[in-house]
Amino acid sequence: EIVLTQSPGTLSLSPGERATLSCRASQSVTNSYLAWYQQKPGQAPRLLIHAVSSRAAGIPDRFSGSGSGTDFTLTISRLEPEDSAVYYCQQYANSWTFGQGTKVEIK
Amino acid sequence: QVQLQESGPGLVKPSETLSLICNVFGDSITNAYYWGWVRQSPGKGLEWIGTIRQSGTTYYNPSLSSRVTMSVDSSKNQFSLKLTSVTAADTALYFCTRQFGSGSHPAVLGYWGQGTLVTVSS
Repeated sequence: EIVLTQSPGTLSLSPGERATLSCRASQSVTNSYLAWYQQKPGQAPRLLIHAVSSRAAGIPDRFSGSGSGTDFTLTISRLEPEDSAVYYCQQYANSWTFGQGTKVEIK
Repeated sequence: QVQLQESGPGLVKPSETLSLICNVFGDSITNAYYWGWVRQSPGKGLEWIGTIRQSGTTYYNPSLSSRVTMSVDSSKNQFSLKLTSVTAADTALYFCTRQFGSGSHPAVLGYWGQGTLVTVSS
């Protein structure tokens, strides 16, 4: 099983700032099989990015994904108040597993 | 607009079977998509349970596969989850899901229900 470790646990930033979220895999994630989800309190997760860098329909272009192998990044270029949420990475190269999440707080 | 809605008992006794149904609205379960279940608990975070296609093809999380059965009921446009021999560790918010799009990997979950809380307790 591939274990995904996300860091930091919590990120506290101001509107307009850039957020960089990390997702590290215990072994290589092949075929770019990595996705990112956003979850707000009381809601289901929402797909943001799949195949490392492909934005899902309706996702603003301030969200971008990058990386390869074992290191992946979700970047939110200019934080908006509505971006306050927990963000999860998911690999689907070897079974399907999720990271433990990074909480983004907007000051 | 695809909508998924979970239903089932909110309380299950230890050693019994957890049974949930996901009703699908705005789409036909006979379309060539993958349908599935994910659960979320404070202790284990998000955990994929399994995925099924109308054809009957199933994929289960290896850690749960001995206890999981999923099925599709085309006549009711719904699919179901059964998890046997439950313990307190199975207490979680259970989500039903649908693949993002026919061209995407089955694991890319573009549609989620709101989730239903299942507590395992005597």
